[in-house]
Amino acid sequence: KAGVTQTPRYLIKTRGQQVTLSCSPISGHRSVSWYQQTPGQGLQFLFEYFSETQRNKGNFPGRFSGRQFSNSRSEMNVSTLELGDSALYLCASSLAGGSEDGYTFGSGTRLTVV
Amino acid sequence: AQSVTQLGSHVSVSEGALVLLRCNYSSSVPPYLFWYVQYPNQGLQLLLKYTTGATLVKGINGFEAEFKKSETSFHLTKPSAHMSDAAEYFCAVSVSGAGSYQLTFGKGTKLSVIP
Repeated sequence: KAGVTQTPRYLIKTRGQQVTLSCSPISGHRSVSWYQQTPGQGLQFLFEYFSETQRNKGNFPGRFSGRQFSNSRSEMNVSTLELGDSALYLCASSLAGGSEDGYTFGSGTRLTVV
Repeated sequence: AQSVTQLGSHVSVSEGALVLLRCNYSSSVPPYLFWYVQYPNQGLQLLLKYTTGATLVKGINGFEAEFKKSETSFHLTKPSAHMSDAAEYFCAVSVSGAGSYQLTFGKGTKLSVIP
């Protein structure tokens, strides 16, 4: 059974640009969550999608957005990139997003903003 | 709101020694608790989780954790450390039935194993 797939693995962007990251969940999983990991702030929740609807959102500016498609694949977009957006972005999939399901993480996308 | 505190950002143990990584949580409702491990340049791998039932939870790679409600703790242990256990460990909490659908993580504990 394939795991959670995140593409690309590495990305270098310039300040002011925008970026789109992709996440394909485990087959049959309908919930996808996104997390940002930085050395200073640790792991922070961005948002969670279930059946193409955003159910929960963390405390991030509106430059961070996401969406989920009918096949449960998800994308997150960051517009007007800032140096502080450099981070490892992790995607997690779950059957229905409930806590009891557990969450399986992908290997992440390492974004560097220069 | 829930929170997680991991005591010790760095822990060093000798190979073969006991591993003890501490985690305390704060939650106003019954929590679900998780331990994840992260190797360099990798994502998070689930070690074990507590949802309901038995408070002593066994996970992969010989790790286990005990949920102690009275102490609001969920410490991770392994009787004998192996070199391959060197990694960063994260404790996380998720609140059951509150519609939150998110994990709140501790800051992580980096484990070093000395040969």
